[in-house]
Amino acid sequence: EDQVTQSPEALRLQEGESSSLNCSYTVSGLRGLFWYRQDPGKGPEFLFTLYSAGEEKEKERLKATLTKKESFLHITAPKPEDSATYLCAVMNYGGSQGNLIFGKGTKLSVKP
Amino acid sequence: GAGVSQSPSNKVTEKGKDVELRCDPISGHTALYWYRQRLGQGLEFLIYFQGNSAPDKSGLPSDRFSAERTGESVSTLTIQRTQQEDSAVYLCASSLSSSGANVLTFGAGSRLTVL
Repeated sequence: EDQVTQSPEALRLQEGESSSLNCSYTVSGLRGLFWYRQDPGKGPEFLFTLYSAGEEKEKERLKATLTKKESFLHITAPKPEDSATYLCAVMNYGGSQGNLIFGKGTKLSVKP
Repeated sequence: GAGVSQSPSNKVTEKGKDVELRCDPISGHTALYWYRQRLGQGLEFLIYFQGNSAPDKSGLPSDRFSAERTGESVSTLTIQRTQQEDSAVYLCASSLSSSGANVLTFGAGSRLTVL
């Protein structure tokens, strides 16, 4: 069964304290892995898509990496405005193209 | 429009009543998706529309749930005889197409509370 597990469930950081969020996945064939950011009361906002092991993408203080079993979202010198829930999702070749499989998310809090 | 628009933003209903949730996708987006987000849970896929193809209804949890889409425009998710376990945020998303690993743009969601 295709599955996505994110850890930790919650993470509290001080401003400037770098860390990483983990997304472990099990899929029959990975079409793509997505990272989204979700603020309270809002829908998820797209951050990155990764397609193959070894791929990396960066945006401001965020960097996403991918291996055959997991993805990491590295946050460098975070600021309070980075506080949000970060969602990981995968799309596989075997299932419907509409069916993204989401993890439960990591709730990040960055204190000034 | 500039983004995916959903209405109502909040809906409180009594158990057993029917509800309709509306989604207005981004203009030009041919694919439309409905997801459900329960408190503390990941997003659950419900249904997906792509152009004039038959929708993928594989995620609908029961026959009380149905959805329609008019062409490549507005979609309505209907929940009949609502139950308390239907309480959740219902998220709609759209994308340019469903080819490849396509990026979904989400609306803000409709929060449903069933008393």
